[in-house]
Amino acid sequence: SQQGEEDPQALSIQEGENATMNCSYKTSINNLQWYRQNSGRGLVHLILIRSNEREKHSGRLRVTLDTSKKSSSLLITASRAADTASYFCATPTSGGSYIPTFGRGTSLIVHP
Amino acid sequence: GAGVSQSPSNKVTEKGKDVELRCDPISGHTALYWYRQSLGQGLEFLIYFQGNSAPDKSGLPSDRFSAERTGGSVSTLTIQRTQQEDSAVYLCASSLLAGGNEQFFGPGTRLTVL
Repeated sequence: SQQGEEDPQALSIQEGENATMNCSYKTSINNLQWYRQNSGRGLVHLILIRSNEREKHSGRLRVTLDTSKKSSSLLITASRAADTASYFCATPTSGGSYIPTFGRGTSLIVHP
Repeated sequence: GAGVSQSPSNKVTEKGKDVELRCDPISGHTALYWYRQSLGQGLEFLIYFQGNSAPDKSGLPSDRFSAERTGGSVSTLTIQRTQQEDSAVYLCASSLLAGGNEQFFGPGTRLTVL
């Protein structure tokens, strides 16, 4: 069964706006990762946040983690058309096996 | 350096045929994962190899699916007697270590079963 689920399923914004995507998960984790996928092929790792971290930044990306609510958010600031992609969160499967499992993703479209 | 490579990039086969999909992980990566992704869906975990340990096959959907990893490097995913519902993009990923480390994905193999 899927550990993490992204919300919303789809997001459409104008270039320059901020995009926020959320991920909820079910069991305790030691880390959570966000990935990006273009055109339904390979995924690219964006950022990893550990369970003892609350916020992490990478360029225009900001990730937060709230372990009490079992949720994370990915914020992309000043979006660009090139940010158009699907975004997935990945969390270890329950039971500590540390196999990252993925939700269905958020499909982001940034209109120029 | 070279990333994860997969071959073929596209495969069209007839129902009932066997197919082999290949994954070349990044050199030195001990963990290797296979996922599949149906159109518009998330990634479904299939199988995981870690070093010389027995693989975690808990995600394989049926006994028609099997995978090997030879010499701790190249992996082959075999689907026997393919069915139309096997049509998907099959993604391979490797990571330096296990334990939820960053995964590096290959470009995937798009399998179409007619």
